[in-house]
Formats: sequence, C-alpha cells, structure tokens
Amino acid sequence: ILNVEQSPQSLHVQEGDSTNFTCSFPSSNFYALHWYRWETAKSPEALFVMTLNGDEKKKGRISATLNTKEGYSYLYIKGSQPEDSATYLCAFSYSSYKLIFGSGTRLLVRP
Amino acid sequence: DAGVTQSPTHLIKTRGQQVTLRCSPISGHKSVSWYQQVLGQGPQFIFQYYEKEERGRGNFPDRFSARQFPNYSSELNVNALLLGDSALYLCASSLGQGNEKLLFGSGTQLSVL
Repeated sequence: ILNVEQSPQSLHVQEGDSTNFTCSFPSSNFYALHWYRWETAKSPEALFVMTLNGDEKKKGRISATLNTKEGYSYLYIKGSQPEDSATYLCAFSYSSYKLIFGSGTRLLVRP
Repeated sequence: DAGVTQSPTHLIKTRGQQVTLRCSPISGHKSVSWYQQVLGQGPQFIFQYYEKEERGRGNFPDRFSARQFPNYSSELNVNALLLGDSALYLCASSLGQGNEKLLFGSGTQLSVL
C-alpha cells in the first residue's frame, strides 16, 4: 500500500514566523510530487509540481524542495501572513494519471 | 475563462439511492479526474478520463462509474448509496499530458442519510 505522510498535522504560528512542513512518500517508482494549498470554502490550488531529485521551486514567499532518493519534500513559508492560513496537501504520483494525497498540514497564522 | 465547474454544490440522498455528479473542465483541457475527500483525510483518487477513455481507476467498488463526453465534461455516478459515501467529491481538469498541476473545482458535498 502506497502511503503519503505529512507532518505536522496542524500548526499555529504568529504572523511573521517562518515555518516548514514535511511530506514523506515512497522512494521507489517516483513520477512526480505535487503541493496544493486548500483554503476553507475554496478549491485546492496548485503550488508546485516537482519531478527531479534536488528540484527546488519558489513562488513568492513559498518554496519547496524534493529528495526522491530518501522520499521526502519540504514546503517552506517565509514570514507567514494570515492569508497563508490553509491546509497544505502534498500528493505523490507513480504514474501520469493518479495522485496519492497525504492528509495535509493545517496552518493557522495568527495576526 | 470559467474555472472547473461542478454541479450540484450540495446533495442529500438516502441509502440505496443513486446519484450523478457533473463536472465541466476548463476550456482546452481534455482530462478530468475525480477524487473523494472524507473529512480529516486527503482526497482519494476515483477515476481519470482522457479523450473520453478511462485512463485509471482507484480502489473503489463497481458502484462507482464515470464517463466523459465529446465536449470533455464528465459525470460520476454512484449506485446503491451507503452512509460511507458521504464525502466531498472533487473534480480536477488538466491537459492530460502528465506531470501537470491539476485545476480543481469547488466540489460537490454529498450527504447520505
């Protein structure tokens, strides 16, 4: 059974804090690793798709790294803002069509 | 350009009934995927369709079926509803080339009583 684990399950930080989450996935048959942000009452929004070992992606204050050999990815948020409050989902794929999602990390940023 | 649209947004059914959920991908996207999300868990893959053909199926019983139409819109059907089918059903569209970001709709919240 292929499993994707995310930690922590939830995180409360103060505005301005930097934070990071972990996504662990199977290190064999790797195809791609996705990160999504899901705000309450909205649709999940794609942040990154990463395919190569050592990949680093950045979008504004959010960045991600990928280690396919050991099966983990980190998502970093620099200087968290209240609007960053959301659930962050990672998803592993071993084929072109199927994503296996983790349960997500719920981030709450207090003003 | 309209985003991925799903209908209805909410639905209440009773056990044993059948339900049809609908999804329209964004213009130019030929692939539609369906996911089931139960509270506290990540979305679970149900189906992917590309160019009207089923490309993949997740670990769901045969009560779940889907199809894609020539205009690339899609329907998800669930027969003989069980209480455990209560969930948010998400549709996502993509070009279908692989390794792409999925664009999700807002989902259909299904409650089975």
